[in-house]
Order: sequence, then structure tokens, then C-alpha cells
Amino acid sequence: GAVVSQHPSRVICKSGTSVKIECRSLDFQATTMFWYRQFPKQSLMLMATSNEGSKATYEQGVEKDKFLINHASLTLSTLTVTSAHPEDSSFYICSAGLAGRKITDTQYFGPGTRLTVL
Amino acid sequence: DAKTTQPPSMDCAEGRAANLPCNHSTISGNEYVYWYRQIHSQGPQYIIHGLKNNETNEMASLIITEDRKSSTLILPHATLRDTAVYYCIVSPAGSYQLTFGKGTKLSVIP
Repeated sequence: GAVVSQHPSRVICKSGTSVKIECRSLDFQATTMFWYRQFPKQSLMLMATSNEGSKATYEQGVEKDKFLINHASLTLSTLTVTSAHPEDSSFYICSAGLAGRKITDTQYFGPGTRLTVL
Repeated sequence: DAKTTQPPSMDCAEGRAANLPCNHSTISGNEYVYWYRQIHSQGPQYIIHGLKNNETNEMASLIITEDRKSSTLILPHATLRDTAVYYCIVSPAGSYQLTFGKGTKLSVIP
């Protein structure tokens, strides 16, 4: 149980284009979803937290107009990287928290999306 | 900043127990200890968590010291597939807050 999927797993795009990444909780409902970014040989850094039906909360230094997050349902969140540039090339990982969760429930992570901007 | 300290790397012989230490000397009373691992180019995988009692599941055992200032994750019979970066994270109960440090890179050697 608690499976999270991401699509696509890899994407290569040209500089200036926009890329959408989908994150789905397959066998549970997720009131809260998270988006992380991981650069090579570094740890995961939280970008934003989104709750179903409301605006995302972005971490300091993350441009909300560049990284658009939509959490329209309890099983789907999307991250759109707008006007992507080479410095946005990274490994993007989503995670989801269970709805109706016990106090010790934690996040379950997707497999990640490798974005390369040429 | 991460509130835990872990050795940057460890080696373990295949079939032997892997004991991964974690120091969390500033842990608060309502914070749990979570362990995740990340195999290369994949998303993190939840392993186990605990508050103050030792815990065991099908993947690992978690030993937390009585003063809760440190813990050890034990993989009882390490396999090559256990080669990964292991993250020890302390998080307030119910917060979903996970701050990833640099973790320990475990290499299981044939």
C-alpha cells in the first residue's frame, strides 16, 4: 500500500519551454502533497507543500510563479516548471501524506522525474 | 538544518548485519525518529520509525537509546540491494515535516 507514481520519469526540453510533472497517489487519498528537488550529489530540498483545494505553500527562495503547483484532487498534484532554463535541470520528487492519517503517518515518495533542460 | 548527525559512509559485507548510527541529541519529547533510504536515482523509501521503544518490521530494526539522543538502524542480513543512502530524520508527531540531511551512504560489498 501507499504507492505514489510520477509521470514522466524523464523529460528533456529546450530552454524557455514549460514542463508539467504529475504526481499520483495510487491506492490512497492524499490531503497533503510535497514537491522536492535534488541536485546531483546533494540531499532532497523541499520546494513546496500543497493541500488539496488550496494554494501551495512555497519554501523560501522558491519562485512560485516559476514552479506552479496544482493539487486539484486527493490523488493528483502537478508541478509545472515554466520557462525552464538549464539551471532548472534536476531530479524532482513528489511525496504524499495519507488522508485521515494517524499521528505517526509519514510521507510516501514517488520515483522521481529527471528533468534536463538544454 | 537537519537535526541529526550521521557518518557520511559505511561499508558492510553481504549477509552481515548493517548497523547505521544516528545522533539526535537535541530531539524533543514529541519528535519521532524516522528512517528512509534512497537507492540511486529513485525516490526515498520509508523504512521504519519510532518514539522511544525499539521497533522492528520486515525491513529493519530500530534501536533508540533510553535518553533518546541517538539511535541505530539495523539491517539484519544486508544484501547488495541494500546499497543506498540512508537518512535519519527527527520530526514532530503529526507534522509531516521531513528535513533531509546528507545521510549515510551504505555500500554492501560482495
